[in-house]
Amino acid sequence: QVQLVESGGGLVRPGGSLRLSCAASGFPFSINYMTWIRQAPGKGLEWLSSISSSGSTMYYADSVKGRFTISRDNSKNSVFLQMDSLRAEDTAVYYCARPINDYGDRSYFHFWGQGSPVTVSS
Amino acid sequence: SYVLTQPPSESVAPGETASISCGGDNIERRTVSWYQQKPGQAPVLVIYYDGDRPSGISERFSGSKSGNTATLTISRVEAGDEADYFCQVWDSSSDHLWVFGGGTKLTVL
Repeated sequence: QVQLVESGGGLVRPGGSLRLSCAASGFPFSINYMTWIRQAPGKGLEWLSSISSSGSTMYYADSVKGRFTISRDNSKNSVFLQMDSLRAEDTAVYYCARPINDYGDRSYFHFWGQGSPVTVSS
Repeated sequence: SYVLTQPPSESVAPGETASISCGGDNIERRTVSWYQQKPGQAPVLVIYYDGDRPSGISERFSGSKSGNTATLTISRVEAGDEADYFCQVWDSSSDHLWVFGGGTKLTVL
């Protein structure tokens, strides 16, 4: 079955960096878009970034554009989120998710990882 | 950017029907998905394509939309349905391509 397992979260100081990883299994990873979504404590869900199957196209929310970088390694069935210049407001649980239908009006998220908590604090 | 508005909370007695709304401009022209999230867990898809249920989701869950409102309906509510529920659409003109509602906390009395 489909499994998405995030890792790399933790405590980091403001201005610092962290790299999240998501290991995927149970589906043809190399032909699927992948996405990162986060949830601040007690808040709703926020889409952050998506990457095309080949890794040639990336999309970012304005809130993280220029600070976060999404990438993937299809040989390792993994997607990554490099987070730089972290701020207190980036504190959240970060989920890796596989969109069905890649992107567009009929896309949605059937598969989610368990989440990786990130705390930005001095 | 496109905004989805949900009531922060809804309460329902066991066995009754819960209706959770999701408001958005001309939402009837968009495809809506719904997610259930219990404390400490990842979201779970309960409705996609406005009203379709993934395998394993109870038929008590249904979705509809009209005008500027989409609705998730849960019939014969059970204690295990107590959770946060989020609606979601795609919006290519937004700074967030996938837009989520703020979520509704469903309390089973």
